Amino acid sequence: DTEVTQTPKHLVMGMTNKKSLKCEQHMGHRAMYWYKQKAKKPPELMFVYSYEKLSINESVPSRFSPECPNSSLLNLHLHALQPEDSALYLCASSQEAFSGNTIYFGEGSWLTVV
Amino acid sequence: AQTVTQSQPEMSVQEAETVTLSCTYDTSESNYYLFWYKQPPSRQMILVIRQEAYKQQNATENRFSVNFQKAAKSFSLKISDSQLGDTAMYFCAFQNRDDKIIFGKGTRLHILP
Repeated sequence: DTEVTQTPKHLVMGMTNKKSLKCEQHMGHRAMYWYKQKAKKPPELMFVYSYEKLSINESVPSRFSPECPNSSLLNLHLHALQPEDSALYLCASSQEAFSGNTIYFGEGSWLTVV
Repeated sequence: AQTVTQSQPEMSVQEAETVTLSCTYDTSESNYYLFWYKQPPSRQMILVIRQEAYKQQNATENRFSVNFQKAAKSFSLKISDSQLGDTAMYFCAFQNRDDKIIFGKGTRLHILP
């Protein structure tokens, strides 16, 4: 099983809403990631969790709040977003962080902020 | 700072032809990893091929192979007998040990019937 599953696949939210994106992997990976991807651009790293601890926060605005409840789950809590935050949000995992391991990506959650 | 450059924003080839995608990178490190990822229109990004810098032998995966030139800091991807399903955005990526992965800007590849 080499799957990273993300829900929901599509999300439309208003600028005052609070919503969450969810991600799950059952590969026993100890590193999990959130990326943001705009159309025709490479993914931009947002957060890295290693062994359930936040390892990297790429200066992401506080309206994005990550959470790693356990080694298989990763959430991204969204609050007071702006229209420019509309993008594809990719969750990913790897065996270890920063070790050259293959990163496995989910299909992504399409977020539209209105 | 490490950088990854993909000089071909877009390419088109006929089905069954061979195509080579270019990638160069810049680093002062000697121990690192290189990747090619494919992102088809369905959007899930998947690994095509992975190369460890200390291994001189070029990695291959079926119809996909790389030409890794460490001294020139070049890591090109060759796709042989291209198929319609190879149509995708291809990202070259670089990772130093103990650091995050860095993606190039991508090459959009169209395989024409």
